[in-house]
Amino acid sequence: SQTIHQWPATLVQPVGSPLSLECTVEGTSNPNLYWYRQAAGRGLQLLFYSVGIGQISSEVPQNLSASRPQDRQFILSSKKLLLSDSGFYLCAWSVLASDTQYFGPGTRLTVL
Amino acid sequence: AQSVTQPDIHITVSEGASLELRCNYSYGATPYLFWYVQSPGQGLQLLLKYFSGDTLVQGIKGFEAEFKRSQSSFNLRKPSVHWSDAAEYFCAVGYNNAGNMLTFGGGTRLMVKP
Repeated sequence: SQTIHQWPATLVQPVGSPLSLECTVEGTSNPNLYWYRQAAGRGLQLLFYSVGIGQISSEVPQNLSASRPQDRQFILSSKKLLLSDSGFYLCAWSVLASDTQYFGPGTRLTVL
Repeated sequence: AQSVTQPDIHITVSEGASLELRCNYSYGATPYLFWYVQSPGQGLQLLLKYFSGDTLVQGIKGFEAEFKRSQSSFNLRKPSVHWSDAAEYFCAVGYNNAGNMLTFGGGTRLMVKP
Protein backbone atom coordinates (compact mmCIF):
# COMPACT_ATOMS: atom_id res chain seq x y z
CA SER A 1 0.00 0.00 0.00
CA GLN A 2 1.01 3.59 -0.49
CA THR A 3 2.18 5.82 2.32
CA ILE A 4 3.30 9.42 2.47
CA HIS A 5 5.70 10.84 5.02
CA GLN A 6 6.53 14.40 5.98
CA TRP A 7 9.19 15.69 8.29
CA PRO A 8 9.73 17.34 10.52
CA ALA A 9 6.34 17.29 12.19
CA THR A 10 6.91 20.64 13.85
CA LEU A 11 9.50 23.35 13.33
CA VAL A 12 10.22 26.69 14.96
CA GLN A 13 12.54 28.93 13.00
CA PRO A 14 13.72 32.55 13.33
CA VAL A 15 12.94 35.11 10.65
CA GLY A 16 15.62 35.10 7.97
CA SER A 17 16.68 31.49 8.51
CA PRO A 18 16.55 28.85 5.77
CA LEU A 19 13.92 26.14 5.47
CA SER A 20 13.81 22.61 4.17
CA LEU A 21 10.72 20.42 4.46
CA GLU A 22 10.74 16.95 3.03
CA CYS A 23 8.00 14.73 1.68
CA THR A 24 8.41 11.15 0.49
CA VAL A 25 5.94 8.70 -0.98
CA GLU A 26 6.21 4.93 -0.85
CA GLY A 27 4.43 2.25 -2.81
CA THR A 28 3.80 4.08 -6.06
CA SER A 29 5.78 5.29 -9.06
CA ASN A 30 5.75 8.59 -10.89
CA PRO A 31 3.15 10.22 -8.68
CA ASN A 32 1.95 13.78 -9.05
CA LEU A 33 3.16 15.65 -5.96
CA TYR A 34 1.78 18.77 -4.31
CA TRP A 35 2.71 21.27 -1.59
CA TYR A 36 -0.09 23.13 0.16
CA ARG A 37 -0.10 25.66 2.96
CA GLN A 38 -2.80 26.40 5.52
CA ALA A 39 -2.48 29.65 7.38
CA ALA A 40 -4.32 29.83 10.71
CA GLY A 41 -8.06 29.63 10.11
CA ARG A 42 -7.65 29.59 6.35
CA GLY A 43 -8.26 27.03 3.64
CA LEU A 44 -5.78 25.17 1.47
CA GLN A 45 -3.43 27.19 -0.70
CA LEU A 46 -1.65 25.26 -3.43
CA LEU A 47 2.00 26.31 -3.54
CA PHE A 48 3.70 23.91 -5.96
CA TYR A 49 2.99 20.77 -7.91
CA SER A 50 5.16 18.37 -9.84
CA VAL A 51 4.33 15.81 -12.51
CA GLY A 52 7.83 14.33 -12.67
CA ILE A 53 11.46 14.56 -11.58
CA GLY A 54 12.75 18.08 -11.98
CA GLN A 55 9.35 19.38 -13.16
CA ILE A 56 7.97 22.00 -10.79
CA SER A 57 5.08 24.39 -11.32
CA SER A 58 4.53 27.30 -8.97
CA GLU A 59 1.07 28.54 -8.20
CA VAL A 60 1.96 31.47 -5.97
CA PRO A 61 5.03 33.74 -6.36
CA GLN A 62 6.81 34.02 -3.03
CA ASN A 63 10.08 33.33 -1.29
CA LEU A 64 9.50 29.58 -1.27
CA SER A 65 10.79 27.08 -3.81
CA ALA A 66 10.31 23.37 -4.42
CA SER A 67 12.43 20.64 -5.87
CA ARG A 68 11.93 17.02 -6.86
CA PRO A 69 15.32 15.36 -6.89
CA GLN A 70 13.90 11.83 -6.98
CA ASP A 71 10.67 10.30 -8.26
CA ARG A 72 9.06 10.04 -4.84
CA GLN A 73 10.73 12.91 -3.01
CA PHE A 74 9.44 16.47 -2.88
CA ILE A 75 11.23 19.22 -1.00
CA LEU A 76 9.99 22.67 0.00
CA SER A 77 12.70 25.25 0.68
CA SER A 78 13.32 28.85 1.49
CA LYS A 79 16.55 30.81 1.72
CA LYS A 80 15.13 33.36 4.18
CA LEU A 81 11.93 32.79 6.09
CA LEU A 82 9.37 35.54 6.67
CA LEU A 83 6.88 35.80 9.51
CA SER A 84 4.13 35.24 6.96
CA ASP A 85 5.58 31.81 6.13
CA SER A 86 4.17 30.44 9.37
CA GLY A 87 1.50 27.84 8.82
CA PHE A 88 0.69 24.19 8.35
CA TYR A 89 2.35 22.66 5.31
CA LEU A 90 0.81 19.65 3.66
CA CYS A 91 2.24 17.38 1.01
CA ALA A 92 -0.03 15.27 -1.15
CA TRP A 93 0.24 12.81 -4.02
CA SER A 94 -2.05 11.53 -6.72
CA VAL A 95 -1.90 9.12 -9.65
CA LEU A 96 -3.55 11.57 -12.03
CA ALA A 97 -3.97 15.30 -11.71
CA SER A 98 -7.76 15.02 -11.59
CA ASP A 99 -7.86 12.03 -9.28
CA THR A 100 -7.89 11.56 -5.54
CA GLN A 101 -5.14 13.31 -3.64
CA TYR A 102 -3.67 11.59 -0.58
CA PHE A 103 -2.25 13.81 2.09
CA GLY A 104 0.65 13.51 4.46
CA PRO A 105 0.41 14.31 8.18
CA GLY A 106 1.69 17.87 7.72
CA THR A 107 4.43 20.07 9.18
CA ARG A 108 3.60 22.88 11.58
CA LEU A 109 6.02 25.76 10.91
CA THR A 110 6.27 28.71 13.25
CA VAL A 111 8.47 31.62 12.25
CA LEU A 112 9.39 33.92 15.12
CA ALA B 1 -12.10 28.19 -14.39
CA GLN B 2 -13.49 25.68 -11.97
CA SER B 3 -14.42 26.82 -8.48
CA VAL B 4 -15.85 25.25 -5.35
CA THR B 5 -17.94 27.05 -2.75
CA GLN B 6 -18.64 25.90 0.76
CA PRO B 7 -21.10 28.55 1.96
CA ASP B 8 -20.88 27.71 5.65
CA ILE B 9 -17.59 28.57 7.32
CA HIS B 10 -18.73 27.29 10.72
CA ILE B 11 -21.52 24.92 11.71
CA THR B 12 -22.48 23.79 15.20
CA VAL B 13 -24.74 20.82 15.78
CA SER B 14 -25.74 18.85 18.83
CA GLU B 15 -24.46 15.33 19.25
CA GLY B 16 -26.97 12.91 17.77
CA ALA B 17 -28.44 15.49 15.43
CA SER B 18 -28.31 15.17 11.66
CA LEU B 19 -25.75 17.05 9.61
CA GLU B 20 -25.61 18.48 6.12
CA LEU B 21 -22.59 20.37 4.80
CA ARG B 22 -23.07 22.22 1.56
CA CYS B 23 -20.80 22.23 -1.46
CA ASN B 24 -21.42 23.90 -4.82
CA TYR B 25 -19.17 23.84 -7.85
CA SER B 26 -19.11 25.80 -11.05
CA TYR B 27 -18.13 24.33 -14.39
CA GLY B 28 -19.97 22.84 -17.35
CA ALA B 29 -18.59 19.33 -17.51
CA THR B 30 -19.42 16.41 -15.23
CA PRO B 31 -17.06 16.69 -12.32
CA TYR B 32 -15.20 14.32 -10.08
CA LEU B 33 -16.23 15.25 -6.54
CA PHE B 34 -14.57 14.61 -3.20
CA TRP B 35 -15.09 15.23 0.49
CA TYR B 36 -12.15 15.28 2.88
CA VAL B 37 -12.01 15.64 6.66
CA GLN B 38 -9.19 17.23 8.64
CA SER B 39 -8.84 16.82 12.40
CA PRO B 40 -6.82 19.51 14.19
CA GLY B 41 -3.12 19.25 13.45
CA GLN B 42 -3.62 16.40 11.00
CA GLY B 43 -3.55 15.88 7.27
CA LEU B 44 -6.68 15.52 5.15
CA GLN B 45 -8.43 12.16 5.01
CA LEU B 46 -10.66 11.15 2.11
CA LEU B 47 -14.25 10.55 3.23
CA LEU B 48 -15.81 9.71 -0.13
CA LYS B 49 -15.68 10.48 -3.83
CA TYR B 50 -17.97 10.52 -6.82
CA PHE B 51 -16.75 9.76 -10.33
CA SER B 52 -19.83 8.40 -12.09
CA GLY B 53 -22.82 6.12 -11.60
CA ASP B 54 -25.06 6.21 -8.57
CA THR B 55 -25.37 9.81 -7.45
CA LEU B 56 -25.64 8.84 -3.78
CA VAL B 57 -22.21 7.92 -2.51
CA GLN B 58 -21.42 6.18 0.74
CA GLY B 59 -18.21 6.95 2.56
CA ILE B 60 -16.34 6.11 5.70
CA LYS B 61 -17.47 6.99 9.24
CA GLY B 62 -21.15 6.87 8.28
CA PHE B 63 -21.04 9.80 5.86
CA GLU B 64 -22.80 10.01 2.52
CA ALA B 65 -23.04 12.63 -0.21
CA GLU B 66 -25.40 13.19 -3.10
CA PHE B 67 -24.44 14.61 -6.48
CA LYS B 68 -27.19 16.81 -7.88
CA ARG B 69 -26.27 17.96 -11.36
CA SER B 70 -29.22 20.36 -11.66
CA GLN B 71 -28.06 22.20 -8.54
CA SER B 72 -24.31 21.81 -9.12
CA SER B 73 -24.10 20.50 -5.60
CA PHE B 74 -22.46 17.68 -3.69
CA ASN B 75 -23.68 18.00 -0.11
CA LEU B 76 -22.29 15.84 2.66
CA ARG B 77 -24.70 14.27 5.15
CA LYS B 78 -24.67 12.19 8.27
CA PRO B 79 -27.86 11.09 10.07
CA SER B 80 -26.44 11.24 13.60
CA VAL B 81 -23.33 13.21 14.49
CA HIS B 82 -20.83 11.99 17.06
CA TRP B 83 -18.54 14.23 19.11
CA SER B 84 -15.57 12.74 17.24
CA ASP B 85 -16.91 14.22 13.98
CA ALA B 86 -15.81 17.69 15.09
CA ALA B 87 -13.28 18.68 12.44
CA GLU B 88 -12.88 20.72 9.28
CA TYR B 89 -14.43 19.41 6.10
CA PHE B 90 -13.27 20.22 2.59
CA CYS B 91 -15.08 19.67 -0.67
CA ALA B 92 -13.01 19.33 -3.85
CA VAL B 93 -13.76 19.09 -7.56
CA GLY B 94 -11.74 17.73 -10.47
CA TYR B 95 -12.38 16.96 -14.11
CA ASN B 96 -11.32 14.23 -16.48
CA ASN B 97 -8.87 16.47 -18.21
CA ALA B 98 -5.17 15.74 -18.20
CA GLY B 99 -3.38 18.22 -15.99
CA ASN B 100 -6.57 19.60 -14.51
CA MET B 101 -5.97 19.44 -10.77
CA LEU B 102 -8.40 19.32 -7.92
CA THR B 103 -9.82 22.60 -6.69
CA PHE B 104 -10.66 22.75 -2.98
CA GLY B 105 -13.38 24.72 -1.26
CA GLY B 106 -12.59 26.98 1.66
CA GLY B 107 -13.68 24.42 4.24
CA THR B 108 -16.42 24.16 6.86
CA ARG B 109 -15.51 23.84 10.51
CA LEU B 110 -17.90 21.56 12.36
CA MET B 111 -18.37 21.87 16.09
CA VAL B 112 -20.41 19.33 18.04
CA LYS B 113 -22.24 20.27 21.23
CA PRO B 114 -22.65 17.59 23.89
